[in-house]
Amino acid sequence: DAGVIQSPRHEVTEMGQEVTLRCKPISGHDYLFWYRQTMMRGLELLIYFNNNVPIDDSGMPEDRFSAKMPNASFSTLKIQPSEPRDSAVYFCASSLGTGYTFGSGTRLTVV
Amino acid sequence: AQTVTQSQPEMSVQEAETVTLSCTYDTSESDYYLFWYKQPPSRQMILVIRQEAYKQQNATENRFSVNFQKAAKSFSLKISDSQLGDAAMYFCAYRSASDNFNKFYFGSGTKLNVKP
Repeated sequence: DAGVIQSPRHEVTEMGQEVTLRCKPISGHDYLFWYRQTMMRGLELLIYFNNNVPIDDSGMPEDRFSAKMPNASFSTLKIQPSEPRDSAVYFCASSLGTGYTFGSGTRLTVV
Repeated sequence: AQTVTQSQPEMSVQEAETVTLSCTYDTSESDYYLFWYKQPPSRQMILVIRQEAYKQQNATENRFSVNFQKAAKSFSLKISDSQLGDAAMYFCAYRSASDNFNKFYFGSGTKLNVKP
């Protein structure tokens, strides 16, 4: 199994631009989570899905953030428009049962 | 919501020595899971060890072991015979057993330095 796959690994964009982060969970996992990691706030849960359905998006910081999971093998996190304070590492994780498997994360830099 | 506290932002250990990372959590539940994750400079989050609250026996994975004190709500990680590759951020995490949605609560992390 290739694990949870995230792309891109690094993203540098200018303020105001749209950014789309991608995640492919492990096949058969029924939960998918998006986290944001910063030095100041640590790991923050943004949103999670169960069987492709969004369950809790209360962690999404603003309306500029949106996430979708059109099928069991793909999810996106979109930021539009992006701002410098969105700079962080964004992780996707999937699970079946009690443990998580994380992707390698996307480091987003908004200049 | 449950809270997970890691009171040691950074620690150092000499290679081959033993180090213990602390974690406390706050919960009113009796059944839950606790985890330690390692995040090396590569940024990948790696599961180190897991403990079920209903099990009294402390979990062990090779050089990694935990000291689970349920009454004290404490879950420390002991790394024996520390190696240079153990240098990383370590995160403690909590998950309620009654949570159908597998939501984790993470601590703020402890950065472990290993000196040669």
